[in-house]
Amino acid sequence: KQEVTQIPAALSVPEGENLVLNCSFTDSAIYNLQWFRQDPGKGLTSLLLIQSSQREQTSGRLNASLDKSSGRSTLYIAASQPGDSATYLCAIPYGKLTFGQGTILTVHP
Amino acid sequence: GAVVSQHPSWVICKSGTSVKIECRSLDFQATTMFWYRQFPKQSLMLMATSNEGSKATYEQGVEKDKFLINHASLTLSTLTVTSAHPEDSSFYICSALTSGGTDTQYFGPGTRLTVL
Repeated sequence: KQEVTQIPAALSVPEGENLVLNCSFTDSAIYNLQWFRQDPGKGLTSLLLIQSSQREQTSGRLNASLDKSSGRSTLYIAASQPGDSATYLCAIPYGKLTFGQGTILTVHP
Repeated sequence: GAVVSQHPSWVICKSGTSVKIECRSLDFQATTMFWYRQFPKQSLMLMATSNEGSKATYEQGVEKDKFLINHASLTLSTLTVTSAHPEDSSFYICSALTSGGTDTQYFGPGTRLTVL
């Protein structure tokens, strides 16, 4: 059974800081890993998808890395902005899409 | 591309009534759609997998007679919450699966259901 864990559960940082969100998984036999963003009361927006053969993916200020052997992925956000405040979820397709519990990020001015 | 819509975005109903939620893939065909439920401050929990032209597959603990799923076309799946009760109040999110190598799920904006 695949279990996905995200640490920390919540994070509050001042604007401009670089930050790292962590995602760990128990079964390294994955096809890909996806990072999502969810604003309060809204659906999910896909941020980055890393295939199992890749080590990282970048989109703007976001960089996601994947280390299958250690069962870890990180989402790095550079120069954080108040608009980055949201819940960030990582998910792995394992028969079904299995989500971590999410990290609630607050970036204050 | 790959846009998924849900209708309605929010609904308030009386206890005992039935509510239908639609999930549409607007610019692609989806043979598989998924229905999730999300309670406040919790992550998404898969309720069922909806396959076009066949019966839905429900996750353990989800009542198939209460949550009716119909996937009649390649762009539309519906979830009907029958005889809704206050404990069914939740945020319901659908996703549609694309094919072509990445098997990426695209999510709808969600439907907020409040049962009084």
